[in-house]
Amino acid sequence: IAGITQAPTSQILAAGRRMTLRCTQDMRHNAMYWYRQDLGLGLRLIHYSNTAGTTGKGEVPDGYSVSRANTDDFPLTLASAVPSQTSVYFCASSESSGNTGELFFGEGSRLTVL
Amino acid sequence: GQNIDQPTEMTATEGAIVQINCTYQTSGFNGLFWYQQHAGEAPTFLSYNVLDGLEEKGRFSSFLSRSKGYSYLLLKELQMKDSASYLCAPQDSNYQLIWGAGTKLIIKP
Repeated sequence: IAGITQAPTSQILAAGRRMTLRCTQDMRHNAMYWYRQDLGLGLRLIHYSNTAGTTGKGEVPDGYSVSRANTDDFPLTLASAVPSQTSVYFCASSESSGNTGELFFGEGSRLTVL
Repeated sequence: GQNIDQPTEMTATEGAIVQINCTYQTSGFNGLFWYQQHAGEAPTFLSYNVLDGLEEKGRFSSFLSRSKGYSYLLLKELQMKDSASYLCAPQDSNYQLIWGAGTKLIIKP
């Protein structure tokens, strides 16, 4: 059982470059999320999608974009990376958004922007 | 605003009991989650409380007091593998999780 798969697991990127982090889930969950995790801070929500075809902004959306063309995939794009986007990025999913179900996380993507 | 407060780091001895506290302020409330996160890994679900009281699950228990905006996670019979960060995450009125920075628990032999 794969659950949620993220790629790449680690990437070093030059500032100004475009980067897409991929996220795929096989649990047929409706809701998906992108978080970033930085030392000393809690997980911060970047963007979310309650169902295929819809997306919403989280707490820290600037500099990031997402799309949800189908149920399984939820890529996160950095149009022009900056050093402050150096972080660990986690994709997560839940059965639906408006309930109290647990989140399932991918293994994370460690991004370094130089 | 929304705020989560939990200790940054705690140390305990193998075989002992430890209680990790969490106080929170959120816009509305729809329950509180605890997650465990080992270094370099993804968070994994531990417990969920929506009603006041204690929820027990094996060696782990979680307590909630909605009126006090307070929760704790109790770990019994500590094992070395319990060394991890423990994340408190209440759910606001929009069902969004608000994450604390986590408590790093160090278990010593």
